[in-house]
Amino acid sequence: ETGVTQTPRHLVMGMTNKKSLKCEQHLGHNAMYWYKQSAKKPLELMFVYSLEERVENNSVPSRFSPECPNSSHLFLHLHTLQPEDSALYLCASSQGSQFPASTDTQYFGPGTRLTVL
Amino acid sequence: DAKTTQPPSMDCAEGRAANLPCNHSTISGNEYVYWYRQIHSQGPQYIIHGLKNNETNEMASLIITEDRKSSTLILPHATLRDTAVYYCIVRVFGGATNKLIFGTGTLLAVQP
Repeated sequence: ETGVTQTPRHLVMGMTNKKSLKCEQHLGHNAMYWYKQSAKKPLELMFVYSLEERVENNSVPSRFSPECPNSSHLFLHLHTLQPEDSALYLCASSQGSQFPASTDTQYFGPGTRLTVL
Repeated sequence: DAKTTQPPSMDCAEGRAANLPCNHSTISGNEYVYWYRQIHSQGPQYIIHGLKNNETNEMASLIITEDRKSSTLILPHATLRDTAVYYCIVRVFGGATNKLIFGTGTLLAVQP
C-alpha cells in the first residue's frame, strides 16, 4: 500500500459513455498527477496539479477532463473515448515542487485498467 | 524523451545480487537519479533515489559514479517477487512541477 488509492480498478466503457476515474491520496501531499500507460509503451504524463491548480497539461485531448476539488482527491472525467484510449491510467502524488527536491518523491496508485469498446 | 539508457532485459538467479545498470551521460548537476519498478499491470513502486552519494535503504542500494554519468541499482538478494520492469529516471526540474519521464526500463527476470 502506497497511500494512493484508485477506483475503479477495472472499467469497460463504450465510445459514447461518460465515466470518471477517482484517485485519493492519504499522504498529505500537495501535488497530484495523472499518467497513461498504453500497451508496450512508457508511462506518459498527462496532467499535474499543484495545490489544486492545474500546472501541466501535456497536449491531452479534450475528451479527458481532470478535476482536483481538493489536495486529496483527483478525478479524470472521460467522454466519447476512442478504442486507442484503452490503457492503464495511473495516479500519483508527491509533496510538491515547493518542497526540497530530495523529498519530492512521487508515489503511485495501483491504476485503473480502462477498456474502450 | 527519457534521459537514461538501460538494457531491455536481464536475468538473475534467485538469492543472488541483481545489478541493474543505467547510463545518464547528460545529467545536470542538480538532477536526481530515481529508480522505480513496475510489477506486471501494477502501479510503479518507488525504490530509491540519489544525487551524487551512494544510497542504501531496505529495498536496494544505489551506486552513482563519481562523474554521475551512470549508476547501478543493486538488489542484494533477489527473490522471485523482484521480477519486474525497473526504471531509471533522471528528474527534470523546472516550472511548477518536477517531472518523471519514464523510458522503457529493464525487465528483470529472477530465475528459480
